[in-house]
Amino acid sequence: GQSLEQPSEVTAVEGAIVQINCTYQTSGFYGLSWYQQHDGGAPTFLSYNALDGLEETGRFSSFLSRSDSYGYLLLQELQMKDSASYFCAVRVAAGAGSYQLTFGKGTKLSVIP
Amino acid sequence: EAGVAQSPRYKIIEKRQSVAFWCNPISGHATLYWYQQILGQGPKLLIQFQNNGVVDDSQLPKDRFSAERLKGVDSTLKIQPAKLEDSAVYLCASSLRPTGETYEQYFGPGTRLTVT
Repeated sequence: GQSLEQPSEVTAVEGAIVQINCTYQTSGFYGLSWYQQHDGGAPTFLSYNALDGLEETGRFSSFLSRSDSYGYLLLQELQMKDSASYFCAVRVAAGAGSYQLTFGKGTKLSVIP
Repeated sequence: EAGVAQSPRYKIIEKRQSVAFWCNPISGHATLYWYQQILGQGPKLLIQFQNNGVVDDSQLPKDRFSAERLKGVDSTLKIQPAKLEDSAVYLCASSLRPTGETYEQYFGPGTRLTVT
């Protein structure tokens, strides 16, 4: 099976930088994804890391270390609209050439003025 | 491009009743997923279709849950009979290519089910 650990809640100030960590234990690991979900909304894709290193997309960056089974999401220049839950998810082999996502429990980010 | 459509958005039923949810994925998307998201947790995959075939239903409680994707387009998920612990948001997602070729999934708004 798979297990993922991420902080349940994080609070940060508008304009600041925040890092949300994710550690995982799994077999058949292929990559780490991050999704954002506003209250009552649909999860939306933010990033995917298959290889070690940092991927940057605008204000958001994601990092992966496969040897440490660890990744993080970095949000810069925080805005009030970034208040949401952030989920890390491991992409693992599901058999018959298919893959599936297993999600963590999510980190609720609150951005305060 | 229209997103993933789901209906109904909300449903309240009594335990032991039946309920069905409908999902229409983004046009042309080959792969369709049903997830269950209990309050305060991440989505949990129930079943995954590629076109109209099931590729993974290992986490689907088959004694009460069933799903189909006729003609490889829209899909229905059914619960019969419902239990209190089935109260959750049921999310449908789709991806353009088979999961071996893509990692991005597009989620619908979900159906919030309350079982009383």
